[in-house]
Amino acid sequence: DTGVSQNPRHKITKRGQNVTFRCDPISEHNRLYWYRQTLGQGPEFLTYFQNEAQLEKSRLLSDRFSAERPKGSFSTLEIQRTEQGDSAMYLCASNPGNSGNEQYFGPGTRLTVT
Amino acid sequence: AQSVTQLDSQVPVFEEAPVELRCNYSSSVSVYLFWYVQYPNQGLQLLLKYLSGSTLVKGINGFEAEFNKSQTSFHLRKPSVHISDTAEYFCAVSPSGTYKYIFGTGTRLKVLA
Repeated sequence: DTGVSQNPRHKITKRGQNVTFRCDPISEHNRLYWYRQTLGQGPEFLTYFQNEAQLEKSRLLSDRFSAERPKGSFSTLEIQRTEQGDSAMYLCASNPGNSGNEQYFGPGTRLTVT
Repeated sequence: AQSVTQLDSQVPVFEEAPVELRCNYSSSVSVYLFWYVQYPNQGLQLLLKYLSGSTLVKGINGFEAEFNKSQTSFHLRKPSVHISDTAEYFCAVSPSGTYKYIFGTGTRLKVLA
C-alpha cells in the first residue's frame, strides 16, 4: 500500500492556460474523490467516482473543470482557461467504498495561476 | 444542507498542557464524524472517527473526541500536547447515505515551548 499519489505536486501556469492533474488512488479502492482547498479554508468537495462512473459533481465544478476516471483506476482533473481564482490546493482521496469509511488523502497539487 | 463550524481559527497552547478543539455541525440527517490533521505540505491524516456506538472515541497520537448529539458537537481533546502536535486540524461530517465529506474551516494548533 503506497498511499494516494498526486502529480504534479506544484503547478504554476498563466491565466488562460489549461492544466491537468493526476491522482493515483490506493489500489482496489473503488471510490475516488476530488476536493479543492483554498488558503484558510477547509477542503471543499468537487466530485467523486465509483469505479469509472462519476456519480456526483459539486456546483463548484464549473464548465471549465472536467474529471475522468477512464478505467476505474487513476483519475485526471482538467481545468481549461485557468483563472486566478482557480489558485488552490487540489486534493484527491480514495476509499474502498463503504459509507462511513475514512477517506485516504493524497498530498495534493498546489496550483498557482499568474 | 449540512455545515460544520470550527469557531477557533487558531489555538495557542503550551507544551504538556491540555487542549480542546471545538467542532459543531448542523444536519437534518444522521452523520458520520471525523477529525483529520494536516501537517505542512502533507495530505490530511485521519485522527479518529465516529460512526456509531460509544460516544467517546479514541484516536491516534493520544487524541480523543466525544460525540454529543443533543449539542451537535464533536470536540477533540488531548490531555497533554507536544510540540509535534502543531498542525491544522479539520473536523468533517459525512451525511449517512452519501460519500462526500463536508469540512470545517480548520483550527491551527500551535504548541509553544
